[in-house]
Amino acid sequence: DVKVTQSSRYLVKRTGEKVFLECVQDMDHENMFWYRQDPGLGLRLIYFSYDVKMKEKGDIPEGYSVSREKKERFSLILESASTNQTSMYLCASSRRSVYNEQFFGPGTRLTVL
Amino acid sequence: ELKVEQNPLFLSMQEGKNYTIYCNYSTTSDRLYWYRQDPGKSLESLFVLLSNGAVKQEGRLMASLDTKARLSTLHITAAVHDLSATYFCAVDTRKTSYDKVIFGPGTSLSVIP
Repeated sequence: DVKVTQSSRYLVKRTGEKVFLECVQDMDHENMFWYRQDPGLGLRLIYFSYDVKMKEKGDIPEGYSVSREKKERFSLILESASTNQTSMYLCASSRRSVYNEQFFGPGTRLTVL
Repeated sequence: ELKVEQNPLFLSMQEGKNYTIYCNYSTTSDRLYWYRQDPGKSLESLFVLLSNGAVKQEGRLMASLDTKARLSTLHITAAVHDLSATYFCAVDTRKTSYDKVIFGPGTSLSVIP
């Protein structure tokens, strides 16, 4: 069964802290994605990766960085968390195929105080 | 830039009724996805539509794709309360060898007895 897991369901951090969000997939997918979801703004792509050690900026990369050292793991890093980064963060992965269907993790609801 | 619109954004319907959600997109694409999201949960893949005229059905939901009109529909037949959720369409941009998907704003569906 397809599975994408995220390290935390809920996370509370303070302004200025460095925050790590981890995502692991067990489907041997090439592509991995980080989105944030905010009411009224839908899903917005932060970063994606199409291979190990490869990354591409999405639509809103400012204030974020990513790391993909292994194929199954894609980390999102908030270098210095700010209150406007309070959001739901969703990780997804997809196989490079004719379908290119993305499978999503359960999400991490991050609150920055 | 590819834009994806959904209509309506909010839908309240009675159990047993039929209704259609529309998804329009602005540039050529031949891969379209429908996802469902329950409150507080992540996105679940419903349908992948790959070509013009594609139609897929699962239970009370049927999705279709008209690439010439740049339009997809999600038809709900004899709605039941369990279908209450937010439905997203997403379109594959096919810009590079790794494909970026653009999500619509979502349609929040509420089925009332």
